[in-house]
Amino acid sequence: DADVTQTPRNRITKTGKRIMLECSQTKGHDRMYWYRQDPGLGLQLIYYSFDVKDINKGEISDGYSVSRQAQAKFSLSLESAIPNQTALYFCATSDPQAGGDNEQFFGPGTRLTVL
Amino acid sequence: AQKITQTQPGMFVQEKEAVTLDCTYDTSDPSYGLFWYKQPSSGEMIFLIYQGSYDQQNATEGRYSLNFQKARKSANLVISASQLGDSAMYFCAMSPNFGNEKLTFGTGTRLTIIP
Repeated sequence: DADVTQTPRNRITKTGKRIMLECSQTKGHDRMYWYRQDPGLGLQLIYYSFDVKDINKGEISDGYSVSRQAQAKFSLSLESAIPNQTALYFCATSDPQAGGDNEQFFGPGTRLTVL
Repeated sequence: AQKITQTQPGMFVQEKEAVTLDCTYDTSDPSYGLFWYKQPSSGEMIFLIYQGSYDQQNATEGRYSLNFQKARKSANLVISASQLGDSAMYFCAMSPNFGNEKLTFGTGTRLTIIP
């Protein structure tokens, strides 16, 4: 089973609808992140969380909110979706105590289309 | 603020040849981590290699090596003996404090391996 899972994998919605994207991880990592990727561009950070009580805005947080329900779960909400939020959304985790290469582990992505 | 620049939007390389993907960065942090990720057409983000800012030697991982030139602020990825499966988008990224924090990504290079 994948260590970082995202649901749904694909979603089509209409302008003005509230949408929640969910991320779960079994890696036991404290740090979790939400990124957005627009076509032909790199990833941009939306929000990040270093533990359950620590939530921080990233570069492009406007129009988004997050909830860290538990160490393993980090949800991203679009309160009122708009077409320019159409993108590929990634959740990621990391563990500063893990040693190794300090990489972030990414989920498979959620492709969101707002009509 | 951190910035990553990838100046090659696309590259075509003959199979079995070596390829260098360029990455330059800008940061005022004395301690940082540099990463390369691969994104195949299926969309997932695959970690390739990491270099810490105080590492004396260039990182290597199988056919991947990172040519780290700190004074020039460059972190080029070298892929030796390219294979058809190397065709993908490649992203350079960096993070403060040797990594394990929020990543800043470049816009990517699309690599196509020609048989």
